[in-house]
Amino acid sequence: DSGVTQTPKHLITATGQRVTLRCSPRSGDLSVYWYQQSLDQGLQFLIQYYNGEERAKGNILERFSAQQFPDLHSELNLSSLELGDSALYFCATAAGSRTGRTGELFFGEGSRLTVL
Amino acid sequence: AQSVTQPDIHITVSEGASLELRCNYSYGATPYLFWYVQSPGQGLQLLLKYFSGDTLVQGIKGFEAEFKRSQSSFNLRKPSVHWSDAAEYFCAVGAGSSASKIIFGSGTRLSIRP
Repeated sequence: DSGVTQTPKHLITATGQRVTLRCSPRSGDLSVYWYQQSLDQGLQFLIQYYNGEERAKGNILERFSAQQFPDLHSELNLSSLELGDSALYFCATAAGSRTGRTGELFFGEGSRLTVL
Repeated sequence: AQSVTQPDIHITVSEGASLELRCNYSYGATPYLFWYVQSPGQGLQLLLKYFSGDTLVQGIKGFEAEFKRSQSSFNLRKPSVHWSDAAEYFCAVGAGSSASKIIFGSGTRLSIRP
């Protein structure tokens, strides 16, 4: 158990809908990363927040947005969903902001999104 | 731009045999390199990391990796695999102007033959 909690574990919805994925970090972790894992794209970095502020952006679509709240939990909002958004969405957390130097990301078990 | 290539999508080895998973990276400066493992239905877990110094690094679960700058490679090895090593393995590089993010390769799925 990494200590990172993601909800929901599974989600099935229809095209055009909007969903929110939630991530609760390990105690003391200030950084939250969101990754999308799909069969054809692999593990894609979406966005990073550190202590409530956006720090780095990856291949995140404009239909997607995220935020980190004062209690450090984070939410990833996916709107106008398309079939191709079906994937496993991972949240990963770290104590500091320079995780690229330490490599110590702690992953949740993921939220599997199915868009029908 | 930083990138990581894992040329092998799927590898099968016999239990007790040695293992080598390949990883090539593209990065302008001294790279921060990592290997992660993902067991079925789980998130990723850090196996080992390289920053500087000794080019042969040891990790958890008996894994090691060797950094070769001349080949831009960071291959993962294990002398004798166990059935429990069946998983997906990801090579990654630390990236970003403030080294704030990690870029992952596409992964190599390891199957173990009894």
